[in-house]
Amino acid sequence: DAGVIQSPRHEVTEMGQEVTLRCKPISGHNSLFWYRQTMMRGLELLIYFNNNVPIDDSGMPEDRFSAKMPNASFSTLKIQPSEPRDSAVYFCASSLERRGVQPQHFGDGTRLSIL
Amino acid sequence: GENVEQHPSTLSVQEGDSAVIKCTYSDSASNYFPWYKQELGKGPQLIIDIRSNVGEKKDQRIAVTLNKTAKHFSLHITETQPEDSAVYFCAASVPSFGAGTTVTVRA
Repeated sequence: DAGVIQSPRHEVTEMGQEVTLRCKPISGHNSLFWYRQTMMRGLELLIYFNNNVPIDDSGMPEDRFSAKMPNASFSTLKIQPSEPRDSAVYFCASSLERRGVQPQHFGDGTRLSIL
Repeated sequence: GENVEQHPSTLSVQEGDSAVIKCTYSDSASNYFPWYKQELGKGPQLIIDIRSNVGEKKDQRIAVTLNKTAKHFSLHITETQPEDSAVYFCAASVPSFGAGTTVTVRA
């Protein structure tokens, strides 16, 4: 089975540019999570969707960050405008059923560098 | 919300020895405790999990124990091998993750 697929794997862009990260969850999974990983802060949950609906976006750092899930097989995380402190590895994960009681399956992440 | 603390942050062991990582959590309602292994350039991958109705679970060289009264759980890796070198994360009722433990197995 295909796992969680993220694109791009690497993104380097200049400060102020718009960045869009993409995620395809595992087919049949109805929960999707976006995380940010840095050395200083570890794994931080940004937003959680259940059945394509955003349930918890309390981890989204600022209004510059937005996430959408237009259908069960696709989600995007957008940063506009980007800043150097947004540099991190961004992971998408999906799971069966509801948050907290099922294992999450992670993609291999997008390494984002903002110059 | 849930707060998960993980210790140690780094662990170096001789090949063949055991490694133990400990985590504590704050929310007594948590009932699912997975462990993830993250290799360089990859996302975290589930290696074992335990639910609150079980005190211990084993899968080959990996075991997890849970003490709900004390709100702590541990990962035990026996007969460590170089391929066990990675960062390990605990979690309580995901997505509350610990800060991670970097395990290095010395040949």
